[in-house]
Amino acid sequence: AAGVIQSPRHLIKEKRETATLKCYPIPRHDTVYWYQQGPGQDPQFLISFYEKMQSDKGSIPDRFSAQQFSDYHSELNMSSLELGDSALYFCASSLGESGSEQFFGPGTRLTVL
Amino acid sequence: LAKTTQPISMDSYEGQEVNITCSHNNIATNDYITWYQQFPSQGPRFIIQGYKTKVTNEVASLFIPADRKSSTLSLPRVSLSDTAVYYCLVGDGGASKIIFGSGTRLSIRP
Repeated sequence: AAGVIQSPRHLIKEKRETATLKCYPIPRHDTVYWYQQGPGQDPQFLISFYEKMQSDKGSIPDRFSAQQFSDYHSELNMSSLELGDSALYFCASSLGESGSEQFFGPGTRLTVL
Repeated sequence: LAKTTQPISMDSYEGQEVNITCSHNNIATNDYITWYQQFPSQGPRFIIQGYKTKVTNEVASLFIPADRKSSTLSLPRVSLSDTAVYYCLVGDGGASKIIFGSGTRLSIRP
């Protein structure tokens, strides 16, 4: 069965650079979520989209932005990168219905030097 | 979103049954109880979800008492590969964000 695809899987950037992470949800899933997981920490919700509209916002820095496109894939744009942005970034998708399951992607490991 | 409380860590041995209990005193009427498993450097993986009574799948069972203020994830005959962090989550499932708590770090020994 198709799963959530994230690219790239690994990314190394310098401080103050920008990064773009991509997420391709499971076909027919209309909701996408982004989570950040720092070393030794639990995943933290960043932002979500339902039918291409932002549906919820968590602890996402102003330096980050995201959007969901017409084909339902989503991109997380990160600017002015800081050392503290080094983390695993997970994308999850679901049908957006109460009781449905969120499927997580393999994550993108971002390292900021 | 209802807050959950679960043990920080648990240890067990291969072949044993492991039960992880989660408290969620403020669960709402329309909330589901969902458990996720996470291995290091991997995305969380859905294990099981329930609303009331008992739910069983090929991986685990979920026991929910009538008042729904707690739930117990039961893993039968664990193996070394079950070593992971287990998160208990309460909410409306796929319709909204997941607020992860601290999870239970389960360690299985030979």
